[in-house]
Amino acid sequence: QQQVKQSPQSLIVQKGGISIINCAYENTAFDYFPWYQQFPGKGPALLIAIRPDVSEKKEGRFTISFNKSAKQFSLHIMDSQPGDSATYFCAASPGPGGTGRRALTFGSGTRLQVQP
Amino acid sequence: NAGVTQTPKFRILKIGQSMTLQCTQDMNHNYMYWYRQDPGMGLKLIYYSVGAGITDKGEVPNGYNVSRSTTEDFPLRLELAAPSQTSVYFCASSYLAPGIYEQYFGPGTRLTVT
Repeated sequence: QQQVKQSPQSLIVQKGGISIINCAYENTAFDYFPWYQQFPGKGPALLIAIRPDVSEKKEGRFTISFNKSAKQFSLHIMDSQPGDSATYFCAASPGPGGTGRRALTFGSGTRLQVQP
Repeated sequence: NAGVTQTPKFRILKIGQSMTLQCTQDMNHNYMYWYRQDPGMGLKLIYYSVGAGITDKGEVPNGYNVSRSTTEDFPLRLELAAPSQTSVYFCASSYLAPGIYEQYFGPGTRLTVT
């Protein structure tokens, strides 16, 4: 019940195109859904996050779409740029009323390559 | 603004050796975590701490130990290293407050056990 399933494993997009990464979760206690961006040799860094009380959140070229009934959420990167080439992880954690440890359960990651 | 720092960056261990991975944060965060990242996989939680003197196991704690004597430091100890512990280790921290969830990650320690 702790799994977060992420797809695709890898993605190649042309510059200016839209990148879409999907995640699905099982644990209904999850209350916080972030996306992390990781460049080679670096630690993950928070990109954007959403709570289940909204269906969409947009920050610049990055948008999270959230479907609570389907237990799915996705990251859309508009006007993808070569600098966006990185590995993207979705994650989920319970809110304060959950286990209390607030640890993230990560998806397996998507390696995005944006070709110039 | 150092954030979360980890040492060493790289280490090669022989089977059966022991070592301690260091993690320090300067943001006065009460929550700290250790994750491992295997190739092509997401991060898995090893241990976590909700404050000084309090630690608990995550998903994959076997072969590891932790301690949290101060708010700033959260070292991870590997006893009797095994090839299965070859991985990249990330330390993270976060602050407990309503509506605040972000975890801040260190740069990682790449460990090879041969």
